[in-house]
Parts: sequence; C-alpha cells; structure tokens
Amino acid sequence: DAGITQSPRHKVTETGTPVTLRCHQTENHRYMYWYRQDPGHGLRLIHYSYGVKDTDKGEVSDGYSVSRSKTEDFLLTLESATSSQTSVYFCAISGDRDSYNEQFFGPGTRLTVL
Amino acid sequence: AQSVTQLDSQVPVFEEAPVELRCNYSSSVSVYLFWYVQYPNQGLQLLLKYLSGSTLVKGINGFEAEFNKSQTSFHLRKPSVHISDTAEYFCAVSDQEGYSTLTFGKGTMLLVSP
Repeated sequence: DAGITQSPRHKVTETGTPVTLRCHQTENHRYMYWYRQDPGHGLRLIHYSYGVKDTDKGEVSDGYSVSRSKTEDFLLTLESATSSQTSVYFCAISGDRDSYNEQFFGPGTRLTVL
Repeated sequence: AQSVTQLDSQVPVFEEAPVELRCNYSSSVSVYLFWYVQYPNQGLQLLLKYLSGSTLVKGINGFEAEFNKSQTSFHLRKPSVHISDTAEYFCAVSDQEGYSTLTFGKGTMLLVSP
C-alpha cells in the first residue's frame, strides 16, 4: 500500500470554527489531491498540488484553502466550518508522468460539522 | 471538461452470478479510464486502467473492462462474483497523458447476496 496517512481520522466540530486536515505521504510523489465524498455525488476534487507551494482549485474549492510547504504534507483548511462541509475527505497522491495518472488514496477523514 | 456517468447507483446480484457495471464518459480526442473500488470504511483502490492498446483490460480480483470508443463506454465485468465483492465502484476519466486530475462518476454500489 502507498504510504499515505490522514489525520485526524474522525472529527466533530461546530459551525464557525476553523478546521485543518492533514495528509502525509512517504512516497515522495509530486502530486497531491484533496477530495470530498458525499452520497450521490461520488468524489469531487477540492484542491490539488503539483509541487511544493504550487496549488490549484478543483471543482468544489469554495470555503477551503490548502497549503503545501513540504513534499510530504498537504494541508486542507476550512476557515469557518459550515454544516454543508460535513463529509468524508480523502487525500490522494500520484507520481510522475510514467504513472499515467494513477492515484493512490488515503484512508479518509470523517468530518462532522454541527 | 470531462464528465462520467455511471448509469446504476445500485446493482444487486446473487453470489456466483455475472455482473456488469456501466460507465459512459463524455467524448474527447483521447481518454484514460480507470475503475476504482471502495470497500466499507476504506479508501479507494485501483481495480484496472485503460491507457492505450488492447481495448480489453484485465484487473485485480478477476475484474475486466472493455473500452468502446464509438459508444464512449468503459463497462466493468466479472463472470462470477463473490460476497467479498460487495463494495462501491467508481469509474474515472482523465483526458491528459501523465499528470492530470481525474473526474469521477457518482459510483455504483454492488450488493452481492448468498
């Protein structure tokens, strides 16, 4: 299995509080992604990174920010959590061109915003 | 932008029966196609991928998929399912070689009963 960990694995928070989710990889892969998974929607891309300090928005980026100061860490921040951000969040990584876009997924973080 | 349609949200099937999970994508000059599986409370795992060459692709756990360019389809099949195949299956597409984001379908829940 690809070395990807996510922390925390579960979190319950209240509306309006800031939340940061962490993705850590030991594979030295260049590309990292944050997705959210909701019933009936599949996986939707929030933000992605193509290198240290290089990030871009995905399909559902409103209300989220990201940072990548080291190759191995990709942080997802909800500046002011809302109930609509209750979801399961997955981090994924992929290597260079030879891996043909194959993404490896972390175990997920279940976030509940009350 | 690419889009992916998984025509069935749920497919119930009896153990040892054959199964087909359907996936259609929006047309593009070239596409790279993937099927992922998600077992309960886990992350996603790659089942198989189509990059080029033979249109019949074999993956793990006895699954295979056929790329049909004229019908813009990439249906997943297994000749005989097991209880352990109960999981959610996601079709995904990329339209760029090498690094690119993936667009996922909404998923199909395969329910295998004895």
